[in-house]
Amino acid sequence: EIVLTQSPATLSLSPGERATLSCRASQSVSSYLAWYQQKPGQAPRLLIYDASNRATGIPARFSGSGSGTDFTLTISSLEPEDFAVYYCQQRSNWPPGTWTFGQGTKVEIK
Amino acid sequence: QVQLVQSGAEVKKPGASVKVSCKASGYTFTGYYMHWVRQAPGQGLEWMGRINPNSGGTNYAQKFQGRVTMTRDTSISTAYMELSRLRSDDTAVYYCARDLVYDILTGYQDYWGQGTLVTVSS
Repeated sequence: EIVLTQSPATLSLSPGERATLSCRASQSVSSYLAWYQQKPGQAPRLLIYDASNRATGIPARFSGSGSGTDFTLTISSLEPEDFAVYYCQQRSNWPPGTWTFGQGTKVEIK
Repeated sequence: QVQLVQSGAEVKKPGASVKVSCKASGYTFTGYYMHWVRQAPGQGLEWMGRINPNSGGTNYAQKFQGRVTMTRDTSISTAYMELSRLRSDDTAVYYCARDLVYDILTGYQDYWGQGTLVTVSS
């Protein structure tokens, strides 16, 4: 099973600052990686898929990069509504019996 | 607009089974794979499996093989997830979530249900 390790566990920043979140895979997932945002009491929301493609309706301040084993989600300038938990997810394996999520990074207000 | 509406919270005893429903609207139900993802209290997300609503074909995460069954009823645009032999560590919010692309299994989920809390307690 491919393990995704996210860092840091918690990121304390102020509105307007840049956020950089990391996701590292235990083996290559090519570009088959997504990022989700989850706020308390809500379902996750897809932000980025295939490492760098923004999902419909996602603001341009969210961007994704990386391939292979190292990936980054960048929020260029944090808005108040961006404080949440962010998860990465890989879908590299076939058949799809072992798709996995990272453990999450919490972006909190400093 | 796309909506996934799940059934209400459940309380079950260890060893019992639970069946969660997910009613879809606002799109062609048979055109998009449906995934099930769960989240234990205060924990991360865990992909459980997926169903092709058109064919009924399924794939399950290895961890749940033998305990989970995903089905659908196309006449009412509803997907189901049944988990058997429940244990206390199955206590979680269970989500259904639609795949991103029509007629293709991408593994990404763009629309999610509101979640169903399943509590397993004696």
